[in-house]
Amino acid sequence: AQSVAQPEDQVNVAEGNPLTVKCTYSVSGNPYLFWYVQYPNRGLQFLLKYITGDNLVKGSYGFEAEFNKSQTSFHLKKPSALVSDSALYFCAVRPGGYQKVTFGTGTKLQVIP
Amino acid sequence: DTGVSQNPRHKITKRGQNVTFRCDPISEHNRLYWYRQTLGQGPEFLTYFQNEAQLEKSRLLSDRFSAERPKGSFSTLEIQRTEQGDSAMYLCASIPTGESTEAFFGQGTRLTVV
Repeated sequence: AQSVAQPEDQVNVAEGNPLTVKCTYSVSGNPYLFWYVQYPNRGLQFLLKYITGDNLVKGSYGFEAEFNKSQTSFHLKKPSALVSDSALYFCAVRPGGYQKVTFGTGTKLQVIP
Repeated sequence: DTGVSQNPRHKITKRGQNVTFRCDPISEHNRLYWYRQTLGQGPEFLTYFQNEAQLEKSRLLSDRFSAERPKGSFSTLEIQRTEQGDSAMYLCASIPTGESTEAFFGQGTRLTVV
């Protein structure tokens, strides 16, 4: 069985400061890892993904994520937060060779002006 | 706009009524997913189609729920005899052929059962 944990329900950060949203996963085999963002009353928008290769992946809107196999983590990061980054962020995992994508419970990011 | 269209955007229905939602995926995408999202939770997998074949169903999908994807194009999700616990956002996503591709989500249909 595959699972995703996002240990923080909410993360508050001041505008201009770096941000980190945490994600750990459990899966058999090699994982495909994803981050999505959701704005109020909207669907999910893809931010970035890790498939293979470099552990640091870069995505949309200046976001990046670091894959750590030994810690089974895939934390989302951004060097300088914007107020417009305030939204709900979801980490997701799909085992290679399987089709079912499992999502975490989400982390609400609040960027304070 | 991801190119995945869901209709209606909002649906209010009385308990016991049947409802049907529609999803139009991106045309060249052969894989289609339905998810359910309740307040404060992440999307929960309901079912998955590859072309017209429904290949996996979650245990969350009780016998009151049925999904179809005739001809491998649009998909419908029907809920019969709705219950208040069915109130949620129903999300559709499509994925193109390929092992590592990400999902493209529609804006969802918000169902309220009163």
